Amino acid sequence: AQSVAQPEDQVNVAEGNPLTVKCTYSVSGNPYLFWYVQYPNRGLQFLLKYITGDNLVKGSYGFEAEFNKSQTSFHLKKPSALVSDSALYFCAVRDKGSGTYKYIFGTGTRLKVLA
Amino acid sequence: KAGVTQTPRYLIKTRGQQVTLSCSPISGHRSVSWYQQTPGQGLQFLFEYFSETQRNKGNFPGRFSGRQFSNSRSEMNVSTLELGDSALYLCASSLDRIDEQFFGPGTRLTVL
Repeated sequence: AQSVAQPEDQVNVAEGNPLTVKCTYSVSGNPYLFWYVQYPNRGLQFLLKYITGDNLVKGSYGFEAEFNKSQTSFHLKKPSALVSDSALYFCAVRDKGSGTYKYIFGTGTRLKVLA
Repeated sequence: KAGVTQTPRYLIKTRGQQVTLSCSPISGHRSVSWYQQTPGQGLQFLFEYFSETQRNKGNFPGRFSGRQFSNSRSEMNVSTLELGDSALYLCASSLDRIDEQFFGPGTRLTVL
């Protein structure tokens, strides 16, 4: 069955330190992978996506993610965290292999960047 | 371009009533999806419409239904409201089915 897992409910990191928010997926075919962010009292915003090509994808606000097919992972990273990065992050996958292109979201990881 | 708009932004209903939520996607976007967001359950997929056809459906009871019009605007309807239907309902549109989604601000539904 298709699924997305974000194993950490919350990640705490000090400002200026690198951050990683983990995501693993399970789909029947090749995935389209996405990261979204939800700031307090605001809607979800698109950060970045992997469709094909280079495994390292760069997105908005200095974020990047690495697609690892063997580990079925798509971890979100940033070299230097800012307090303003504190938000709820969602990983999502769209499974084109099944033909349904169903969009599946992870449960979300709350990132807290400490000053 | 204007973003995804959802109306109304807030709704208060009582159990047993029905409600209709509206979503206007970004101009040119043909795919519209609906999600229910609650603190305990996270983001749950309701359904997806593409070119007026329902393409995917989540695991929600038949009380939840939707439709898409020829101008891509979409509505979702919840009949016989239950307390557990209280949530933020998000609409998202995308250019095509493989593209990133753009989310509206949501409709916060409270069922008393």
